[in-house]
Amino acid sequence: RKEVEQDPGPFNVPEGATVAFNCTYSNSASQSFFWYRQDCRKEPKLLMSVYSSGNEDGRFTAQLNRASQYISLLIRDSKLSDSATYLCVVERASKIIFGSGTRLSIRP
Amino acid sequence: EPEVTQTPSHQVTQMGQEVILRCVPISNHLYFYWYRQILGQKVEFLVSFYNNEISEKSEIFDDQFSVERPDGSNFTLKIRSTKLEDSAMYFCASRDRGLGANVLTFGAGSRLTVL
Repeated sequence: RKEVEQDPGPFNVPEGATVAFNCTYSNSASQSFFWYRQDCRKEPKLLMSVYSSGNEDGRFTAQLNRASQYISLLIRDSKLSDSATYLCVVERASKIIFGSGTRLSIRP
Repeated sequence: EPEVTQTPSHQVTQMGQEVILRCVPISNHLYFYWYRQILGQKVEFLVSFYNNEISEKSEIFDDQFSVERPDGSNFTLKIRSTKLEDSAMYFCASRDRGLGANVLTFGAGSRLTVL
């Protein structure tokens, strides 16, 4: 079983739609959680950290459920510029492990 | 905004040759990482490095790979004898504290093509 699993997509949604991504992790010793965004042939960039209490940054909301070992990302009012691959990232000890990513494509 | 810089941006090499990829992490950062991403695939952890030694490495990071911080600013990844399957984008990353206290900042990557 992969340590971090994501639906690969692609998600193809119209501009303005709300889209949700899910991620599960297998190791209960995982300590920190993040969503990164990667544009085609570019480096990953931090979108937001994920906390148990949930956190919001503008149109983006992240949630963590430690009991279910589940992380989510919600994007509201999606923009064309949100088209990218979204990477679920989990930290355990000295390893920071990336999921394989969910590809999002926003259409006009 | 501080940056992680990587050189070269693209290197083409023959199978069996040695390659050194260089990274200059952000100056006050203490933790350093190498990742690789084969075209169309996921970002894979290779190695983490702290206090001049390897903290953790993946099963990909075999005896062909080594890392070094030779002069307090550069952080290098050496592949001793490249194979075709080493063709990938190699990302260096750094952070200033461990365990989620701060974010990983990535360089733009070095694309390695092995012929």
